[in-house]
Amino acid sequence: KAGVTQTPRYLIKTRGQQVTLSCSPISGHRSVSWYQQTPGQGLQFLFEYFSETQRNKGNFPGRFSGRQFSNSRSEMNVSTLELGDSALYLCASKTGSGAEAFFGQGTRLTVV
Amino acid sequence: GQQLNQSPQSMFIQEGEDVSMNCTSSSIFNTWLWYKQEPGEGPVLLIALYKAGELTSNGRLTAQFGITRKDSFLNISASIPSDVGIYFCAGQLLQGAQKLVFGQGTRLTINP
Repeated sequence: KAGVTQTPRYLIKTRGQQVTLSCSPISGHRSVSWYQQTPGQGLQFLFEYFSETQRNKGNFPGRFSGRQFSNSRSEMNVSTLELGDSALYLCASKTGSGAEAFFGQGTRLTVV
Repeated sequence: GQQLNQSPQSMFIQEGEDVSMNCTSSSIFNTWLWYKQEPGEGPVLLIALYKAGELTSNGRLTAQFGITRKDSFLNISASIPSDVGIYFCAGQLLQGAQKLVFGQGTRLTINP
């Protein structure tokens, strides 16, 4: 069974631009969560999607948004990028009812 | 918001030594998970715990779900160089939103 796939692995963007990250969950998993990981703040929860609906949301500004498609694939968008948005963005999938979440390798975003 | 206090933040040990780390919280959890993250990769699920008092092993790793439901422990026996990485605890709250809350991580360094 294929794992969680995130694309791209690396991104460099300029301040003010926007970016879209993609996540394909494990087959059969209907829940996708997004996390931001930085050295200073650790793993911070962004949001979770389940069956195309946002089920939970963390404390991030509205510049961070996401969506989920009918095949459970998810995208995360960050608009008006700031230097502080530089981080490893991780996607995790789970079946939907359980707690066990499986992570992708992440997308390393650098904002210059 | 909810926080998990993970300790120690870092450990420097000799190969062959045993390792212990723990997570505590003021909140009650219904599930505890332990992950390991290596540089440039996403966290990998090591052990999942579902019941208070549960003790579960995965090879040289043993984790326990605290009786109070507010803490969890991870032990690694006879450490080897490939154990190097950052270990995270994560908990799913008993009540409220079913999102995972992560500890700050324990960075393990092993001297051969």
